[in-house]
Amino acid sequence: DSGVTQTPKHLITATGQRVTLRCSPRSGDLSVYWYQQSLDQGLQFLIQYYNGEERAKGNILERFSAQQFPDLHSELNLSSLELGDSALYFCASSEGYWGTEAFFGQGTRLTVV
Amino acid sequence: AQKITQTQPGMFVQEKEAVTLDCTYDTSDQSYGLFWYKQPSSGEMIFLIYQGSYDEQNATEGRYSLNFQKARKSANLVISASQLGDSAMYFCAMRGRDPTGTASKLTFGTGTRLQVTL
Repeated sequence: DSGVTQTPKHLITATGQRVTLRCSPRSGDLSVYWYQQSLDQGLQFLIQYYNGEERAKGNILERFSAQQFPDLHSELNLSSLELGDSALYFCASSEGYWGTEAFFGQGTRLTVV
Repeated sequence: AQKITQTQPGMFVQEKEAVTLDCTYDTSDQSYGLFWYKQPSSGEMIFLIYQGSYDEQNATEGRYSLNFQKARKSANLVISASQLGDSAMYFCAMRGRDPTGTASKLTFGTGTRLQVTL
C-alpha cells in the first residue's frame, strides 16, 4: 500500500458528462501530481499542485481542471467527456518539489461510452 | 525537454536468473532524478528505486539495483534472482526541473514488459 488513496477505482460514464476524481496524498506529502495513462499516449503528466498552489502543467486539456484543498487532498475534474478520455488516471504524491520518491495511488479507470 | 527511451518492448527471463532492463535518458538539466516503477496487470504503479544525478553510488533496493552510467546517460534496472511475481510492465522515469526551475514532473518511457518463466 503506497499510502496514496484514489477514489473511485472504476468509473463508467457517457460522452458529454462531467466526472470528479479524488486523491488523498500520503500523510505529510505536500505535492500532488496527476497522470493519465492511455494505450496510445502512454503515461502523460497532467498537472502538479504543491501545498494548494498549481506548480506545473503538462498535457492537460482545457476541459480538465484540478485543485488541491487545504487538507491537501486533490480533485481532478473532467468535463465534456469524449471517448478518447477513457484512460487510467493516476495521482501521485511526494514530500516536496524534489522528492526522491513519488508514490502512486491505485488509479481510477475511466471508461467513456 | 526530457526524454526517456526504453528500447525493449518485451523481455523474457527464467526464474532465479538476473535480468537487465535498459533505459537511456536525455536532459539538459544539471540536476535530475531517475526512477523505476513496476506496473503489474492489476494496474497500480509501484515505486521500485531512485537514483539522483549526483549520487556517486548506484542505488540498490533488495533485489533491485540501478546501473547508473551518467556519461552514457543510462539508468538500467537490474533484477536479481527473478521471481514469477516480477512479471509486469516496468517503466523508467525522470524528474527534472522545468524552465522556471520551480517545479518537477515525471517523464516516463514507454515501458518494458517482463515475463518470468519457469
